[in-house]
Amino acid sequence: EAGVAQSPRYKIIEKRQSVAFWCNPISGHATLYWYQQILGQGPKLLIQFQNNGVVDDSQLPKDRFSAERLKGVDSTLKIQPAKLEDSAVYLCASSSPRDGRNEKLFFGSGTQLSVL
Amino acid sequence: GQNIDQPTEMTATEGAIVQINCTYQTSGFNGLFWYQQHAGEAPTFLSYNVLDGLEEKGRFSSFLSRSKGYSYLLLKELQMKDSASYLCAVREGNTDKLIFGTGTRLQVFP
Repeated sequence: EAGVAQSPRYKIIEKRQSVAFWCNPISGHATLYWYQQILGQGPKLLIQFQNNGVVDDSQLPKDRFSAERLKGVDSTLKIQPAKLEDSAVYLCASSSPRDGRNEKLFFGSGTQLSVL
Repeated sequence: GQNIDQPTEMTATEGAIVQINCTYQTSGFNGLFWYQQHAGEAPTFLSYNVLDGLEEKGRFSSFLSRSKGYSYLLLKELQMKDSASYLCAVREGNTDKLIFGTGTRLQVFP
């Protein structure tokens, strides 16, 4: 079974530039998450999709971050314009609600973003 | 509010046993997860507890006490490859959101 695919693996940009990350979840997983992990910290949920609808985006800085999952499968996360404090690893994860309360997340390898 | 506390760093010797503690305060409770994360890699699932007690899986065990808001991950017969960060995560009862702690970085020495 293929895992969660993310690209690019690394990205270096200057502040005020824009950047986009792509994620393809495990086939059949209805729930997709974007997490931000700053060095030395745990992952922080940015946005959660159920199919193509947003379940939770309460911690997404909407003035600069946007995400979409138009066809309920793959997703893109965009930052425009980037700030220095956006330097982090952006993790995509997916899960299947059919697992019930034991619904565990499967993570992709992440995109390491450096904003200079 | 929500708060998940873990020690920042721990060290142990190969072959030893180590216990990583996690305390939590969340809006409701719908299960606790432990994930392992090697440097530069994605977190991978280790264990899940929703009822009080101990869950054992090979060299790894996880314990939960809901009344105390407390869990621990027990690693036995430590190996060098167990050097990683261990993330405690709680699924909130009200929102079903998975909230992660900051992680415990474990270093295993020969």
